[in-house]
Amino acid sequence: AQKITQTQPGMFVQEKEAVTLDCTYDTSDPSYGLFWYKQPSSGEMIFLIYQGSYDQQNATEGRYSLNFQKARKSANLVISASQLGDSAMYFCAMREDNAGNMLTFGGGTRLMVKP
Amino acid sequence: EPEVTQTPSHQVTQMGQEVILRCVPISNHLYFYWYRQILGQKVEFLVSFYNNEISEKSEIFDDQFSVERPDGSNFTLKIRSTKLEDSAMYFCASSDTTDGPERYEQFFGPGTRLTVL
Repeated sequence: AQKITQTQPGMFVQEKEAVTLDCTYDTSDPSYGLFWYKQPSSGEMIFLIYQGSYDQQNATEGRYSLNFQKARKSANLVISASQLGDSAMYFCAMREDNAGNMLTFGGGTRLMVKP
Repeated sequence: EPEVTQTPSHQVTQMGQEVILRCVPISNHLYFYWYRQILGQKVEFLVSFYNNEISEKSEIFDDQFSVERPDGSNFTLKIRSTKLEDSAMYFCASSDTTDGPERYEQFFGPGTRLTVL
């Protein structure tokens, strides 16, 4: 079974609107962390946001927030007020305590922001 | 702001040749990683390194691969005899060991695109 599933290969959003990128995960480890990374066309991986499995509140970083629903094993990324520069690939990743510090990535979602 | 650097940005090699990819992690970080991304695919974990030894490795990281921290700043990935399927973007990452959730954040370098002909 896939550990990280991103079901949206591509998405469009209108500039200035909000968009939600889906991520579901599979783990039996009670202690884990979830990450979102942005990969623009230039190729680098940019860390956006982190959510720990024991965190009581959803993580937020500026225009990024993580909608963490532990019982559903989902960790969706919400980008508010989309900008043209948000056009990129977005990867969800998980770290499991029992697996050390390695990250397992999903297949990614390509977000395209329309002017 | 400190960042992870990688050299070269692009490496072209012939099948069967050895390549060494170089990384300079963030200076106070103690955990180092290599990941790869075949074009159009997901990022895959290769190996993690801590305290001068491998701490985890994936099935991809077979005997053709090795890592080394030859001095206090560099972290290298060596592929002994490259195959066509080794063509990918290789990312180095590092993280520190302070307490709190920040310790899990891995800072990625810009990547080295390896092309095996």
